Formats: sequence, structure tokens, C-alpha cells
Amino acid sequence: DVKVTQSSRYLVKRTGEKVFLECVQDMDHENMFWYRQDPGLGLRLIYFSYDVKMKEKGDIPEGYSVSREKKERFSLILESASTNQTSMYLCASSFIRPEETQYFGPGTRLLVL
Amino acid sequence: DQQVKQNSPSLSVQEGRISILNCDYTNSMFDYFLWYKKYPAEGPTFLISISSIKDKNEDGRFTVFLNKSAKHLSLHIVPSQPGDSAVYFCAASAIRTDSWGKFQFGAGTQVVVTP
Repeated sequence: DVKVTQSSRYLVKRTGEKVFLECVQDMDHENMFWYRQDPGLGLRLIYFSYDVKMKEKGDIPEGYSVSREKKERFSLILESASTNQTSMYLCASSFIRPEETQYFGPGTRLLVL
Repeated sequence: DQQVKQNSPSLSVQEGRISILNCDYTNSMFDYFLWYKKYPAEGPTFLISISSIKDKNEDGRFTVFLNKSAKHLSLHIVPSQPGDSAVYFCAASAIRTDSWGKFQFGAGTQVVVTP
């Protein structure tokens, strides 16, 4: 059974803080993704990675960075959190082929005050 | 600008009846489509897919129809069950031309199945 775990379910941070969101998958998937989910906007891709140390920008990368030092782990970093980054953050992973199913973690609800 | 649109934010249907969820897209390069289902406090889970070479794909109670000329797809759930109450996301990708196969998601439709 595929498992994608995210380090926190809920997080409250202050404006300007550096925020780390961690994601771990146990299926040896090559691809990993970070999305944010906002009402009325659905899921929007922030960044994805297709291999260790490789990353590609998604549709809304501004204000975010990522790190993938190990195949199973993909981190999303908010260098200086802002209130407009309050959102639900979802991590996903999949095998390398583009039509492969993405498996999602439970999400981290981030509130930036 | 959203390339995948789910214009109905919510849908209420009686148990045993058909649920029809609609999804429209604007990018004619999209050739692969997915539906995901999401329960509260859980991540989305894959439900069903369809490639642009087909116009219908069926999996048990779930059928997805694709109308390429109208750039429209729909998900039919027959019969609807209380456990189908969830948010349903439509997603599309241009996997032949986009080597990364990035998916664009719709805003989601909240389905409530009433007894």
C-alpha cells in the first residue's frame, strides 16, 4: 500500500518566518510534487522533482523553494512566509511516466499570521 | 487563467440515483484526463482516467465520458452511495507534448449523497 506522509497536519507561523514542509513516500517513486489547494482554485502545482537534486517549477513557484536530497523525501520551503501563503499544501508522488497515478499525502494546513 | 473548469461547486443527489459531474477544458493539447476523489482530512485518491483516443471509460459504478470537440468530460456515478460524498477533482495533462506530464486541476465539485 502506497504511503505518502507529511510532517504536520496543521501549522501556524508568523509573517516572515522560514517554514519547512516535509514529505516522505515509501514506494520508490521517481516523481514528487508539491501543490497548494485553495477554495475555487483547485490544486495548483508549485514545484516538482523527477529525481534526487532535480527540480522543476510548476505554475506558482514564486515565494517557494524545494529540496530533494534523498529519493523518498521532498521538502517545500517558504523562505519568508506571507499571509497569502495561508493554504492547504499537498504532496504527491508517482512513477516516472507522465500518465502514472499520483498518490497524495493527507495535506498540511498552514496558517500564516 | 484556469485551463480546467468545474463550474458546479456542489451537487446534491439522492442515494441510488445518478450523479453527473462536469468538467470543461480550454487547452486542445490535453490528451489525458483523470478524476480524483477527496474526503475531508485526506489527500485526493485516483478514481478513473481516460485517454483522448477513447470517448468512454468504465470502472464499476464510475464512467467517464470525453467529448473532444466540445472539450468536455463528465463523470457518471451510478448508483450513487452515501460513501460517494466527497470532493471530486477533474485533472488534465498533455502527456504527448509535455514531457513532464504536469496536470492542471479543476476547482472541484462537492458531492453530497442523501439517504
